[in-house]
Amino acid sequence: GESVGLHLPTLSVQEGDNSIINCAYSNSASDYFIWYKQESGKGPQFIIDIRSNMDKRQGQRVTVLLNKTVKHLSLQIAATQPGDSAVYFCAEPGGTSYGKLTFGQGTILTVHP
Amino acid sequence: GAGVSQTPSNKVTEKGKYVELRCDPISGHTALYWYRQSLGQGPEFLIYFQGTGAADDSGLPNDRFFAVRPEGSVSTLKIQRTERGDSAVYLCASSFTPDYEQYFGPGTRLTVT
Repeated sequence: GESVGLHLPTLSVQEGDNSIINCAYSNSASDYFIWYKQESGKGPQFIIDIRSNMDKRQGQRVTVLLNKTVKHLSLQIAATQPGDSAVYFCAEPGGTSYGKLTFGQGTILTVHP
Repeated sequence: GAGVSQTPSNKVTEKGKYVELRCDPISGHTALYWYRQSLGQGPEFLIYFQGTGAADDSGLPNDRFFAVRPEGSVSTLKIQRTERGDSAVYLCASSFTPDYEQYFGPGTRLTVT
């Protein structure tokens, strides 16, 4: 049966499709956001970040979009591959410095070959 | 180069016992962080160090938890009188300074029986 706490949103896509993972944040004063990828049994891995003076930032196969009006963040992964299967978290500074990160709930991405 | 390492990778202890978890940060990183991750949740901030001093310990749940970083490199998280609710994966991260990207270790899975 399902364990307590395992209620993460899930996204299932086919290899080669584009994926969009969403995150809502609560602190309107946040000026920095980060996306992390966490594979099973490993620590979170930095993917991409964005500062609040930007609406969009692109990396290799990934794009982060920031909508400050509705306090929404999204991560787009182009041409999703099986190796992209993981849990994805958005994070923001939870205090007055960037040292203390507050992580969102997380989304489980599963890529089918 | 070497990433963040944590020892042990797994620790099983009995309720009421004392445990120590060790973190070796990336060489040259002045900031070091401890997080706790329960099943199906995002990492939860515990404490971070800038050099030898605790810059923010607001996430430590109670006085059973304590962390040190005496020489500004290796850190030890200490938990006294462990409780079953302490069972989780304890993650360590480091960064060049608090304003830079945090690199995570693989974590220590603590199980309190």
